[in-house]
Amino acid sequence: QKEVEQDPGPLSVPEGAIVSLNCTYSNSAFQYFMWYRQYSRKGPELLMYTYSSGNKEDGRFTAQVDKSSKYISLFIRDSQPSDSATYLCAMSEGYGNNRLAFGKGNQVVVIP
Amino acid sequence: NAGVTQTPKFQVLKTGQSMTLQCAQDMNHNSMYWYRQDPGMGLRLIYYSASEGTTDKGEVPNGYNVSRLNKREFSLRLESAAPSQTSVYFCASSIPGTGEETQYFGPGTRLLVL
Repeated sequence: QKEVEQDPGPLSVPEGAIVSLNCTYSNSAFQYFMWYRQYSRKGPELLMYTYSSGNKEDGRFTAQVDKSSKYISLFIRDSQPSDSATYLCAMSEGYGNNRLAFGKGNQVVVIP
Repeated sequence: NAGVTQTPKFQVLKTGQSMTLQCAQDMNHNSMYWYRQDPGMGLRLIYYSASEGTTDKGEVPNGYNVSRLNKREFSLRLESAAPSQTSVYFCASSIPGTGEETQYFGPGTRLLVL
């Protein structure tokens, strides 16, 4: 079993829809949870960063972490064509060990 | 701040040729990383350097060597390139243990080995 599972299936949604992405993980020592956005032929850029369980909101983006279920989610409200990208979840144990475990990424296409 | 920079952006090699991928960061980060990204495989860690003067193997180190030249620069060397090393290579940097347990990525180097 991989440390981080992310269903890589592409996701197409109409503009304005809510996009829901999620990852599951097996390592209970993970403390830090991130979502990266990667546009085509670009490097990943940090989108959301959360420590431990709970919700974090930044504009149209909401990240949720449920450590009891080892499950994290990213929601994009009022999706825009500019949100079309691949979204990767990542997580680390922290405490000086910040080697990241990545999901495989979800390609999202927002159709105008 | 340029962040993390990588050179070259694109390279074509023949099997058996060697090359060095360069990475530099201007964020005063202690740790630096090299990843490769392949379709369906996600990002895989090749090598990392927790601090200047130290390097460690990651998930897929075979066929690669690294040098942490100073705090800013971390290079990746392919001594004898193989078609299986065709990939997109990303360098990243971070400051572990500060509460900001994340990594910042460069724009990538696309490598094609014929």
